[in-house]
Amino acid sequence: AQKVTQAQTEISVVEKEDVTLDCVYETRDTTYYLFWYKQPPSGELVFLIRRNSFDEQNEISGRYSWNFQKSTSSFNFTITASQVVDSAVYFCALSEPLFGNEKLTFGTGTRLTIIP
Amino acid sequence: EAQVTQNPRYLITVTGKKLTVTCSQNMNHEYMSWYRQDPGLGLRQIYYSMNVEVTDKGDVPEGYKVSRKEKRNFPLILESPSPNQTSLYFCASSPYGVTGELFFGEGSRLTVL
Repeated sequence: AQKVTQAQTEISVVEKEDVTLDCVYETRDTTYYLFWYKQPPSGELVFLIRRNSFDEQNEISGRYSWNFQKSTSSFNFTITASQVVDSAVYFCALSEPLFGNEKLTFGTGTRLTIIP
Repeated sequence: EAQVTQNPRYLITVTGKKLTVTCSQNMNHEYMSWYRQDPGLGLRQIYYSMNVEVTDKGDVPEGYKVSRKEKRNFPLILESPSPNQTSLYFCASSPYGVTGELFFGEGSRLTVL
């Protein structure tokens, strides 16, 4: 069964520090998709990134970067030079879409607080 | 504006009083889904729908019903709400099922007394 673990429940860092949010997943399939979503204090859910299991290239988008490692079943998210606007709950998610399985499993989330 | 709209946004009700949370999307997406968010448990999928008249259970379907009679609408029905269904509910849609980005509604906070 698909499973996502975000072991860090809460993280606090001082503004401008770098921070990494961990995501470890379990899957039985070779084809799967990983996602990160952000939930700011206003409550909406915002898509950040999608990665499929055949693309292990790391991705950078401005101050955000993602490290996908199949060998450790991890898809970690790093924020460089954090800002107060990065304060949010971040969710990692996994889908295994083969054979008609359209379930999307989220982790329990990591609440990130950036201290000014 | 492309959006997913949920109603009501906030609701306080009593045990056993049937209620429906509506969800509508204007993006012509085939895939729609419902999630509940609870502290410490993250988001858990309740039901999903791949297309009109096609629905399936997620991880926590007990106590809920859904229907998909039109592509744009995917209401969540609580036939006999109980206090353990007090939660924050999100509806989402996607053009590519669970292989692509989900577009979420703003959430519906439900309290069952």
